[in-house]
Amino acid sequence: AQSVTQPDIHITVSEGASLELRCNYSYGATPYLFWYVQSPGQGLQLLLKYFSGDTLVQGIKGFEAEFKRSQSSFNLRKPSVHWSDAAEYFCAVGTGGGNKLTFGTGTQLKVEL
Amino acid sequence: GAVVSQHPSRVICKSGTSVKIECRSLDFQATTMFWYRQFPKQSLMLMATSNEGSKATYEQGVEKDKFLINHASLTLSTLTVTSAHPEDSSFYICSARAGTGLIYEQYFGPGTRLTVT
Repeated sequence: AQSVTQPDIHITVSEGASLELRCNYSYGATPYLFWYVQSPGQGLQLLLKYFSGDTLVQGIKGFEAEFKRSQSSFNLRKPSVHWSDAAEYFCAVGTGGGNKLTFGTGTQLKVEL
Repeated sequence: GAVVSQHPSRVICKSGTSVKIECRSLDFQATTMFWYRQFPKQSLMLMATSNEGSKATYEQGVEKDKFLINHASLTLSTLTVTSAHPEDSSFYICSARAGTGLIYEQYFGPGTRLTVT
């Protein structure tokens, strides 16, 4: 069965600093990978996705992620964090053509001004 | 585009009563809708998948008689929590799939906070 691990429960960064959120997955076939952001009391917004092709994926709000098959990782990065980026971030793997999403436990990002 | 709404956003009900949560795709037709449950500080757990006009498919461990799902149209799915108990208190989130291609995205609603007293 597929699984997703986000090893960092909480991360605090200063505004303007770079950010990397880690995500490792376990899945036997080619994964469909997603990063979502959830603000308090809100649903999930898709930041970016990887299905195939270029392993460096660009998303919204200046985020990017890199798929590394050898490391089973799909880490999310942003070169300069803004205070409005404070939220919870979820990595997910989709199976069955993305039909079924398995989420990681999330990383809570706090941004210090 | 691709907006999903949920109603209500918050609901408080007494133990033993039933509560219905609506999920609507506002600007697209959703062939498939999904219902998730999220516990505090935890991830989303898929409860069931519903296709328009057919019975929902429930994940293992989810009581189908307790969590009734109806997907009567291409823009509306409802989740009814029957005979609610305090342990059913949670954040319920729906998502909707557009299209029938092999690869697609799910668009998420803002969630419904259910509190059972």
